Amino acid sequence: DTAVSQTPKYLVTQMGNDKSIKCEQNLGHDTMYWYKQDSKKFLKIMFSYNNKELIINETVPNRFSPKSPDKAHLNLHINSLELGDSAVYFCASSPGTGLGSRNSPLHFGNGTRLTVT
Amino acid sequence: DAKTTQPNSMESNEEEPVHLPCNHSTISGTDYIHWYRQLPSQGPEYVIHGLTSNVNNRMASLAIAEDRKSSTLILHRATLRDAAVYYCILRSTSGGSNYKLTFGKGTLLTVNP
Repeated sequence: DTAVSQTPKYLVTQMGNDKSIKCEQNLGHDTMYWYKQDSKKFLKIMFSYNNKELIINETVPNRFSPKSPDKAHLNLHINSLELGDSAVYFCASSPGTGLGSRNSPLHFGNGTRLTVT
Repeated sequence: DAKTTQPNSMESNEEEPVHLPCNHSTISGTDYIHWYRQLPSQGPEYVIHGLTSNVNNRMASLAIAEDRKSSTLILHRATLRDAAVYYCILRSTSGGSNYKLTFGKGTLLTVNP
């Protein structure tokens, strides 16, 4: 059973388009994340949601809008795609942000490779 | 975020132990030392974490210096499947959003057959 699943695995699109990436976790976790890994392989956190509430937003452009319909899903919608958005996007989840959960491991999906042409 | 310093790359032979070092001289008392690895074309994977004492699990061992300013991830018998980028990360348990994982450059481990 896949713990954190993302769709699609690959996404090729043109500049200016709007696209979405979906993420689902079946671990019963309260907290979900989006990370971006650029061409230089740096992994940077973008957003974090806890129980459908945004708790981390790392100065990501407004064109990126995460949406959490329930705590098992965190989707990423990107408007007006730019060349610089090309990257691998990873979704992750962890049990929660409470004191007893702050060391709990994050579980990552296998990524969505976005290519903007 | 407290920073960590790791070698860019290391090489090992299959079946031999591997010691991956990490320096974190500015570690604070609420920081735990976490290790993740990223296999090719996959998402990061949790390996191990610790605070002060050495830790062992089925994947690896973590040796933490007495002053906590450095640590070493030990793979007891490297396999080809262990070839990955290994990240040493300090994760705070203090308030706010300090629990978040902040990845550095990591160490690219190559395992030779």
